[in-house]
Amino acid sequence: ILNVEQSPQSLHVQEGDSTNFTCSFPSSNFYALHWYRWETAKSPEALFVMTLNGDEKKKGRISATLNTKEGYSYLYIKGSQPEDSATYLCALYGGSQGNLIFGKGTKLSVKP
Amino acid sequence: NAGVTQTPKFQVLKTGQSMTLQCAQDMNHEYMSWYRQDPGMGLRLIHYSVGAGITDQGEVPNGYNVSRSTTEDFPLRLLSAAPSQTSVYFCAIEKGDTQYFGPGTRLTVL
Repeated sequence: ILNVEQSPQSLHVQEGDSTNFTCSFPSSNFYALHWYRWETAKSPEALFVMTLNGDEKKKGRISATLNTKEGYSYLYIKGSQPEDSATYLCALYGGSQGNLIFGKGTKLSVKP
Repeated sequence: NAGVTQTPKFQVLKTGQSMTLQCAQDMNHEYMSWYRQDPGMGLRLIHYSVGAGITDQGEVPNGYNVSRSTTEDFPLRLLSAAPSQTSVYFCAIEKGDTQYFGPGTRLTVL
């Protein structure tokens, strides 16, 4: 069973702080890694799909990097805003059924 | 939500009752799936389908049935609801390399 680990579980930052969190996964048989943003009472929203070692993706103040050889991805948020408060999920495309295997998420709270 | 609709939004059941959670999409996507979300557990795959007439089990299939008689619809059936099935249920379609989720159904089993 593939295991996708995210750390930290939760994070509290002040508005304006930059922050980052980690997604770790088995490095063998890598196909793709997904990042999702999930606000309370809404459905998960796709942020990035990353496939290549060394990939860097950016959307506004949010960016992500990927290291498939060592099995990790970082998500960075520059100058956090209260509207960034959400749970950030990573998911590995794989498993015996070729489906998404989700981590438990990092819950970010940004205080004004 | 990439054209994915789910009904109902909220449901309360008594233990032992059965019900069907509906999921529909109008974009002709072949791949559809059902997840449940529980606190501290992330999203877990219940069942999925790669096309009409084809379904398969995910990580946590017990207590649930699915069918895919059409491309548009992928209902999830709870045969005899248990309190352990209290959760938020998301239906998803796959478009390109990304899964897009419906708005969710919040189910409480008393």
